[in-house]
Amino acid sequence: DSGVTQTPKHLITATGQRVTLRCSPRSGDLSVYWYQQSLDQGLQFLIQYYNGEERAKGNILERFSAQQFPDLHSELNLSSLELGDSALYFCASSPSFDIQYFGAGTRLSVL
Amino acid sequence: AQTVTQSQPEMSVQEAETVTLSCTYDTSENNYYLFWYKQPPSRQMILVIRQEAYKQQNATENRFSVNFQKAAKSFSLKISDSQLGDTAMYFCAFMGISSGGSYIPTFGRGTSLIVHP
Repeated sequence: DSGVTQTPKHLITATGQRVTLRCSPRSGDLSVYWYQQSLDQGLQFLIQYYNGEERAKGNILERFSAQQFPDLHSELNLSSLELGDSALYFCASSPSFDIQYFGAGTRLSVL
Repeated sequence: AQTVTQSQPEMSVQEAETVTLSCTYDTSENNYYLFWYKQPPSRQMILVIRQEAYKQQNATENRFSVNFQKAAKSFSLKISDSQLGDTAMYFCAFMGISSGGSYIPTFGRGTSLIVHP
């Protein structure tokens, strides 16, 4: 158990809809990373937050947004969903800026 | 932008034998971190080993060791005495500083390792 909690484990929704994925980092970790893992794209870094502030952006679509709250949990919002957004979404937390501890992921299926 | 290349999409090894997974990367930075992560069928990403670029000594964690060649930008993973539980997808990852001062992670496409009994 990495200590990082992601909910829900599975999410099935329809095209055009909006969903929110939630991540609770390990106790004491200030940094949260979000990733998308799809079969044809590998593991893609989306965005990083540190202590409530956006710190780095990767290949995140404009339809996607994230935030980190004062209690350090983070949410990834995906809107206007398309079939191609179906993927495994990981959250990872870090005590520093190198080692990351990953959650179990949320599997999103867009039908 | 940094790139990470894992040239072996699939590999297999017999139980108790040794296998080496390859990884090369491209960067102009001098200070960075390199990692190998394991993703078993459960899909959980698990850190296997970490290397700091400024350290000459290769990192070792039990049966896992790396061969870090900074000049060649190569970071291979050696698994000794392979076990059935080592069957997994292995990802090489690079963490370097972006222009904004944050560390940006880049992952390779992965190598699927199967350990045969």
